[in-house]
Amino acid sequence: DAGVIQSPRHEVTEMGQEVTLRCKPISGHDYLFWYRQTMMRGLELLIYFNNNVPIDDSGMPEDRFSAKMPNASFSTLKIQPSEPRDSAVYFCASSPPRGRILETQYFGPGTRLLVL
Amino acid sequence: EDQVTQSPEALRLQEGESSSLNCSYTVSGLRGLFWYRQDPGKGPEFLFTLYSAGEEKEKERLKATLTKKESFLHITAPKPEDSATYLCAVQGAGNNRKLIWGLGTSLAVNP
Repeated sequence: DAGVIQSPRHEVTEMGQEVTLRCKPISGHDYLFWYRQTMMRGLELLIYFNNNVPIDDSGMPEDRFSAKMPNASFSTLKIQPSEPRDSAVYFCASSPPRGRILETQYFGPGTRLLVL
Repeated sequence: EDQVTQSPEALRLQEGESSSLNCSYTVSGLRGLFWYRQDPGKGPEFLFTLYSAGEEKEKERLKATLTKKESFLHITAPKPEDSATYLCAVQGAGNNRKLIWGLGTSLAVNP
């Protein structure tokens, strides 16, 4: 399996521009998570989906952030307009359906975002 | 409030010098505690899940243990390739899939 795929791997943009991050989860996984990682705050859960439906978006910082999952194999995280404080590494993770063992989250390689 | 605290923040060892990393947690009804390894520029990589106090799991030079309040990741005779940041996370009771994450311990093993 190719694992979780994220694109782009690096993004440099100017303040005020729209940024779109993309994620393809592992095939067969029905949970998808978006995280943001910074040195100061560590890993923060932004939003997660189950069967393409957003379950908890309480971590989304503000209305500038939005996430969609139009089908089981694709999700986007959009920031509009972007600000310098959005600079961070954004990870996507997926996990398998509920089973007898606790469902592990598997992470993609991340997108490193720098907003100038 | 659910919380995870990892210590130390950073640890430097000589190759072969065994040590332990600590993960203290406060959570309502622990469903599981996870250990991940993260290399620079990469996503976290799953290591272990522990479910109940007294449980232990091993993988090569790593052994994870769990009590009702904390978990330890023991590293026996570490090698330079064990250098990474080790992250701990907990999942509480309920149907919520949220994990509460610690800030990690940055481990450097010198040859």
